[in-house]
Amino acid sequence: RKEVEQDPGPFNVPEGATVAFNCTYSNSASQSFFWYRQDCRKEPKLLMSVYSSGNEDGRFTAQLNRASQYISLLIRDSKLSDSATYLCVVLRGGGGADGLTFGKGTHLIIQP
Amino acid sequence: EAEVAQSPRYKITEKSQAVAFWCDPISGHATLYWYRQILGQGPELLVQFQDESVVDDSQLPKDRFSAERLKGVDSTLKIQPAELGDSAMYLCASSPDGGRIAFFGQGTRLTVV
Repeated sequence: RKEVEQDPGPFNVPEGATVAFNCTYSNSASQSFFWYRQDCRKEPKLLMSVYSSGNEDGRFTAQLNRASQYISLLIRDSKLSDSATYLCVVLRGGGGADGLTFGKGTHLIIQP
Repeated sequence: EAEVAQSPRYKITEKSQAVAFWCDPISGHATLYWYRQILGQGPELLVQFQDESVVDDSQLPKDRFSAERLKGVDSTLKIQPAELGDSAMYLCASSPDGGRIAFFGQGTRLTVV
């Protein structure tokens, strides 16, 4: 089983719609969780951290379910500029090297 | 705004040649990562440094890849000899706080012909 798994999509969504995608992780000792955004041929950039209590940043809401080991990202009122690849990222923990492990990404296309 | 600097941005090399990439992290960031990203995939960790020490190079193909961060600041990743399958984006990232949030450079896009 991959350490971090995501549906690669693509998700084709009309502008203004709400879209959600999930990510699952295999290491129960994982400490921290993030969503990164990557535009075509650009570097990944931090979108938001993910907390157990859930967190919201404008149109974006992230949730963590530790019991089921999954992370979600919800985008409301989607904009054309939201078209990108969304990478689920998990920080390993529990001793040894603490490294960031990336999923393969979910490709989102917002259509006018 | 401070950035992670990488050079070159693009590199074309023939297979069996040697190639090197350079990264200068954000000042004060102790953790430095090298990732490889193949088109359509997520970044895969090659090596992680904490200051000048390697803390994880379990995914680094050590028969041909090497990485160093001699003074705990900038870093070099080398491939010798390059193979066609090494064509990818090589991303450097740094983190101020033990790897919780990583800031990426623009990457070096390598094409091996």
